[in-house]
Amino acid sequence: EAGVAQSPRYKIIEKRQSVAFWCNPISGHATLYWYQQILGQGPKLLIQFQNNGVVDDSQLPKDRFSAERLKGVDSTLKIQPAKLEDSAVYLCASSLSGGAQYFGPGTRLLVL
Amino acid sequence: QQQVKQSPQSLIVQKGGISIINCAYENTAFDYFPWYQQFPGKGPALLIAIRPDVSEKKEGRFTISFNKSAKQFSLHIMDSQPGDSATYFCAARRGGYGQNFVFGPGTRLSVLP
Repeated sequence: EAGVAQSPRYKIIEKRQSVAFWCNPISGHATLYWYQQILGQGPKLLIQFQNNGVVDDSQLPKDRFSAERLKGVDSTLKIQPAKLEDSAVYLCASSLSGGAQYFGPGTRLLVL
Repeated sequence: QQQVKQSPQSLIVQKGGISIINCAYENTAFDYFPWYQQFPGKGPALLIAIRPDVSEKKEGRFTISFNKSAKQFSLHIMDSQPGDSATYFCAARRGGYGQNFVFGPGTRLSVLP
């Protein structure tokens, strides 16, 4: 069984630029999560999808972050414009239906 | 109330020793408590998980102890090996609709050869 795929693995951008991350969850997993992990901290939930609907986006900075999950499979997370404090690892995870989560390798973002 | 506290922040153990990491929570709506292991440059990997109706769960060298009345749970790694050196996160899932997860801040474990 293939795991959660994410791309790109690394991204370096200037502040005020935009960036997008892509996630392909494990086949059949209805629930998809995006987390932000700042160095030395635990993952913080940004947004949770159930199929293609948003379940929780209470911690998503909606003035600059957006996410979508078209057709209930792949998902993209976008930051526009990026700030220095957005430098972090962005993790995507999926689960069958809110149970055990399986994480992808993450995208490491550095904002200069 | 959504927070999960975790200690210690870092832990150094000799090979063959027992590693113990503790977590505590406040929200009684949490209904599932997983532990994750994360190596540098990798995403967290599910290690072991427990539900609050069970006081202990063991899988190989890894054991979760759960104290519902104290709202505490801990991870014990028996016969710790250098390959166990990683960051460990406890987490808790809020039950009901949504069922999202809150993570502890992590414990960096170093097992000396």
